[in-house]
Amino acid sequence: ETGVTQTPRHLVMGMTNKKSLKCEQHLGHNAMYWYKQSAKKPLELMFVYSLEERVENNSVPSRFSPECPNSSHLFLHLHTLQPEDSALYLCASSRGLSGTTDTQYFGPGTRLTVL
Amino acid sequence: GNSVTQMEGPVTLSEEAFLTINCTYTATGYPSLFWYVQYPGEGLQLLLKATKADDKGSNKGFEATYRKETTSFHLEKGSVQVSDSAVYFCAVSNAGNNRKLIWGLGTSLAVNP
Repeated sequence: ETGVTQTPRHLVMGMTNKKSLKCEQHLGHNAMYWYKQSAKKPLELMFVYSLEERVENNSVPSRFSPECPNSSHLFLHLHTLQPEDSALYLCASSRGLSGTTDTQYFGPGTRLTVL
Repeated sequence: GNSVTQMEGPVTLSEEAFLTINCTYTATGYPSLFWYVQYPGEGLQLLLKATKADDKGSNKGFEATYRKETTSFHLEKGSVQVSDSAVYFCAVSNAGNNRKLIWGLGTSLAVNP
């Protein structure tokens, strides 16, 4: 399944670096999501976009800055991260935001390590 | 708010064994219930779902029944294969709104030949 792609797959960065994660969905969906997956913790929803408009921001620190230029692309800009931000960052998309049939489809994730 | 409790792993089985991974939830209203699977090095994939009480979701030999009376959505498979080795996540949505899925911690399954 290559409906949702993410680049890079692996990223190592220092605390002073600036980097960006990219997500692209080829499913014609209108909603996109960023999640953080850490060991021993439930999946954490970070941001939700619907039709390029941010509709949810779950108290995420400002060192994470999302951008959704169109309904097919989603970015997560990173700057001055902390070692505890090391995790797998997953992107997902769904047809919409309401209705019980709007399944979320996930990308393979970017494994981020902050030194 | 909604919550999900999933049995802790890791679970280790021999090939062709019967699998049960328990999942119980607390929720208001009538949520949808999901099982996602994450194979090594990959993102999550929807395995199956159920949207109303007594619905049975099924896929790839896996089944789970939406039990409102016991607030459960246990995942079962009659005969596991080595290729089923993965982490399995139970998730619950807010009623009528799948924006915010509430996730279990995941259960790691290892199937030995």
